Amino acid sequence: SQTIHQWPATLVQPVGSPLSLECTVEGTSNPNLYWYRQAAGRGLQLLFYSVGIGQISSEVPQNLSASRPQDRQFILSSKKLLLSDSGFYLCAWSVGSLAGADTQYFGPGTRLTVL
Amino acid sequence: DAKTTQPNSMESNEEEPVHLPCNHSTISGTDYIHWYRQLPSQGPEYVIHGLTSNVNNRMASLAIAEDRKSSTLILHRATLRDAAVYYCILMNYGGATNKLIFGTGTLLAVQP
Repeated sequence: SQTIHQWPATLVQPVGSPLSLECTVEGTSNPNLYWYRQAAGRGLQLLFYSVGIGQISSEVPQNLSASRPQDRQFILSSKKLLLSDSGFYLCAWSVGSLAGADTQYFGPGTRLTVL
Repeated sequence: DAKTTQPNSMESNEEEPVHLPCNHSTISGTDYIHWYRQLPSQGPEYVIHGLTSNVNNRMASLAIAEDRKSSTLILHRATLRDAAVYYCILMNYGGATNKLIFGTGTLLAVQP
């Protein structure tokens, strides 16, 4: 069966510090991968998605970047965190081959607080 | 991306059926209707999806109007563990992948 891991689970970082969040998927090959952010009391916002190694699409201009160095690894980064980067970060994967009927499976999330 | 409209909140009693409505009047012919739910402090969880016909699975049923401009997620017997935010989302294959565009959803409270 497939599983998705995210770490760390929680993180408190000072403004201006770098960020690296990691997501890995097991039990599947060539998944589509996604990063979402949920600010406090808000809905989920799609940040990045990737359909293959080295292929990253950004949905929203921001202070963050994403990379996919391996097939089942997705990394979210920032060089300098802003207060507005605080939120619940979720990684998800999907098979990606079923047009319109693709199901996304979410990880447990990372709760980031920028002080 | 086509949008959906859901009530902000609903309340139900335990062991009673729950009908969660969703309007999507601008749905296109190739949009699938997806439902996800998010329990407190967790990532969203897939519930069900459909295109034109009603669908059933172990979690819920999805009733789709004949004109597809609305749908209803049915939880047959609500439990306390069903208290969550329920999102109705239209998905269409666009470009390289399918994207989920989350709205604000319906916060379902279940009373014992």
